[in-house]
Amino acid sequence: NAGVTQTPKFQVLKTGQSMTLQCAQDMNHNSMYWYRQDPGMGLRLIYYSASEGTTDKGEVPNGYNVSRLNKREFSLRLESAAPSQTSVYFCAIDGVSYEQYFGPGTRLTVT
Amino acid sequence: GDSVTQMEGPVTLSEEAFLTINCTYTATGYPSLFWYVQYPGEGLQLLLKATKADDKGSNKGFEATYRKETTSFHLEKGSVQVSDSAVYFCALSEGMMAAGNKLTFGGGTRVLVKP
Repeated sequence: NAGVTQTPKFQVLKTGQSMTLQCAQDMNHNSMYWYRQDPGMGLRLIYYSASEGTTDKGEVPNGYNVSRLNKREFSLRLESAAPSQTSVYFCAIDGVSYEQYFGPGTRLTVT
Repeated sequence: GDSVTQMEGPVTLSEEAFLTINCTYTATGYPSLFWYVQYPGEGLQLLLKATKADDKGSNKGFEATYRKETTSFHLEKGSVQVSDSAVYFCALSEGMMAAGNKLTFGGGTRVLVKP
């Protein structure tokens, strides 16, 4: 997975609980991304960070916050989880020719 | 905005059969195109890419040609194996912008290869 790690791998939350998904890269790339994957919908961009200290909304940012802690780490926070946020979450970094490399994912279930 | 459309599946094949997964796109400029593969329980892996018209990407026996005139990037493999069972995603990028590189994905096509 090209040096992208994610924790945790699995998580079950109750509605209203909060949690932070962690992503770290060892490739020294500037841009990092958070996606969610839902059946039949491909991947949708939640937030991204083009460089340390900057973050921007993607296609589906509602209900999420992010922090670009340093060049290596980019976290995604759910302040008050809802069942609609049950999904698989992927972190990604840029490659050299506009492709992206993905982490192994976090499977989140909100009951 | 940009969009990617691919056949939904599932596509069920016998081993050694020919595989085609159709992918068409809409974009404002001249995007780079990608195919990703996702094996069960894993993340997405880049399978192949093409960055300009008429380029052919290839990897692991899979091929796809960037057809600007038909805005297509169909994935093909001549003889599939059981190990090719996975979900395949077509994606495009309009390239680096001031605030990052945004990929647009199709909905994914599940392929099941039976022995």
